This record gives sequence, structure tokens and C-alpha cells, in this order.
Amino acid sequence: GENVEQHPSTLSVQEGDSAVIKCTYSDSASNYFPWYKQELGKRPQLIIDIRSNVGEKKDQRIAVTLNKTAKHFSLHITETQPEDSAVYFCAATPANEKLTFGTGTRLTIIP
Amino acid sequence: DAGVIQSPRHEVTEMGQEVTLRCKPISGHNSLFWYRQTMMRGLELLIYFNNNVPIDDSGMPEDRFSAKMPNASFSTLKIQPSEPRDSAVYFCASSFGQVNQPQHFGDGTRLSIL
Repeated sequence: GENVEQHPSTLSVQEGDSAVIKCTYSDSASNYFPWYKQELGKRPQLIIDIRSNVGEKKDQRIAVTLNKTAKHFSLHITETQPEDSAVYFCAATPANEKLTFGTGTRLTIIP
Repeated sequence: DAGVIQSPRHEVTEMGQEVTLRCKPISGHNSLFWYRQTMMRGLELLIYFNNNVPIDDSGMPEDRFSAKMPNASFSTLKIQPSEPRDSAVYFCASSFGQVNQPQHFGDGTRLSIL
């Protein structure tokens, strides 16, 4: 089955700086890569996703890049704000197999 | 759209008791997923249904766990008998399509087994 590794486990950045979270996956057949944000005590919320036929996708201050050759994908958050503080999870799945999540990155934005 | 609705939000019960968690998916979604989240194991899929049929239950920990989806708008996850190690947050999620489509999570049930 798929195996997803996520780094770093914790990340602190100054407000206004950029944050980057990286994930690697093992199954070259994986074709869907979502990112979820989970605030303390809340549900995971999808913030952006990318499919294997696309190399990069942006949504305002958030972007995701995918390198299929190296089997890694990254989340980029620019101009970070205090409300970006949360745990972020990456995930990957081959078609019609279960979504495998990374272990999460706790992002803290320092005012 | 009300989103995925789970009940109860919190459940505290004694070891050995039966626990039933409930989920109502988003109307029109045809896939439903049950996840368990703990500090030690992270977010793990227990079972998922497509068109009310269980597709993958390989994540169900043992026979004490069972899940049903009698119709498109309702699912249950049952633990009988419950044990302290079952304490976790249980999330239900739904999507339109199968696994490689955006999944929308409910607010979860925080389960504590004493």
C-alpha cells in the first residue's frame, strides 16, 4: 500500500514569512494529493488538492507543487498570518484505494 | 448545505459498554468514510462505503468494530464491547465519487472509554 512521509513535524515562522511543508509518497500510481488543515479541536478541512497531471496549483496565498519523478509534493504558504496556525496533513492515493495521510505538521505563526 | 453531521459530539462510557456513532453525509455524496484520530496513530481510515456498499474495511481494528450504511443518508459505527484503547476522535467524511475526490469531514465524535 501507499506510504506517506511528512516533514517537518513542527514549524515556527514569523508572521509575514513563508512556510513550506514537504511530503513524499511511495506508490508511483498515486494520482490525487490533497492537503488538509486542522485547527485545535476542529475537523480536518480541505484547503487545496492537486492531481498527477498538474505540476503546480495556486489559491491565493497557498500553493502546492508536485514532482512525480521524485515522488514528492509540497505545500507553500506565503505572507503567513496568525490564523494559519494549525496542523497540516498531506495525503495521497492511487485510484480507488484508500487515502493515506501523513503524520501532520504543527505550524505556529509567531506574531 | 449542512455539511457532514455526526452524533454524538462527545461520548463517555465505561469499558464493556456498546457504543454507537452516527453519521449523515452531505446530500448527493455517494461515498462515506469512517476515520479514527489519535496522537499515537494519527488519522487512519477504518472503512469506506461507496453507494452504501462497504468497499474497504481493512482498517477496522478487530471484530469488536462494525459499520453499516442502510441508506444513502445514514451510517453507524458500532463498538461492542468497548475498551479504553478505543478512546479517540472518530470522524466521518463524505465525497461525491470515490477515494480520489475531495472528502468533507464532520466535526467528529470524541470518545472516552473509562
